[in-house]
Amino acid sequence: AQRVTQPEKLLSVFKGAPVELKCNYSYSGSPELFWYVQYSRQRLQLLLRHISRESIKGFTADLNKGETSFHLKKPFAQEEDSAMYYCALKTSGNTPLVFGKGTRLSVIA
Amino acid sequence: DAGVIQSPRHEVTEMGQEVTLRCKPISGHDYLFWYRQTMMRGLELLIYFNNNVPIDDSGMPEDRFSAKMPNASFSTLKIQPSEPRDSAVYFCASRASSGNTIYFGEGSWLTVV
Repeated sequence: AQRVTQPEKLLSVFKGAPVELKCNYSYSGSPELFWYVQYSRQRLQLLLRHISRESIKGFTADLNKGETSFHLKKPFAQEEDSAMYYCALKTSGNTPLVFGKGTRLSVIA
Repeated sequence: DAGVIQSPRHEVTEMGQEVTLRCKPISGHDYLFWYRQTMMRGLELLIYFNNNVPIDDSGMPEDRFSAKMPNASFSTLKIQPSEPRDSAVYFCASRASSGNTIYFGEGSWLTVV
C-alpha cells in the first residue's frame, strides 16, 4: 500500500538555522511528490512539487528514488516559516493524494 | 474564483445532534475530496467524488458519516448522531481532472461536546 511517513511531529529550530523536514514514501511505481503548508488556522496550500524543481519561499525538495525520500529543506529558517507541513504522494492516474501525518515547524526568534 | 468554500467555519454541537458540513468546489473541478484533520491522525481522506459520483468512501469512519454531491457545485458531509470523538477540522478540496494540484477550503472546525 502507498504510504507517506513524516517521522517528526514537531521540529523546532532557531531563526537563521537550516531546516530539513523529512518525508519518506512507499510506492513501487513512479511517484509524484508534493509539499503542502498550513499556516496557523488557514487552509492547506501547495508549497512545491517535485516535477517543478523550483524553490518556493526559499524551500527546495529533491526526490531521491533510491532512498524513497522527498525531504524539504531551507538553508535559513524565518519566523514566518512556522507552520504545519504535509508531504503528499500521488501514484497513478487520478488516485487521490496520500498525505503524511504532518510536521509542525516552529522557528524560534 | 473564490476558491473552495466551506461552511460553517466553526460549529459547536452537543453529542447526539446531527451535523451537516457544506462545500462548494472550484468551478470546473470535477474531483471533490473530504478530509478530516486531527492531532493524532493527521490528514485522513474520508471520501472523494468524481463528476458527482462517490468513487471511494473507504475512509468514512462508520455509518454515522455520509456524504453526498447532488450537483457539480455542492457537496455535504453529514454526521448523525455526532460524538465527541468526531471533533476535528473537516476540509473539503477539489481538483480538475487535467491537473495534479488539489485546492483546499478553509476547513470546518467541529467541536462535539
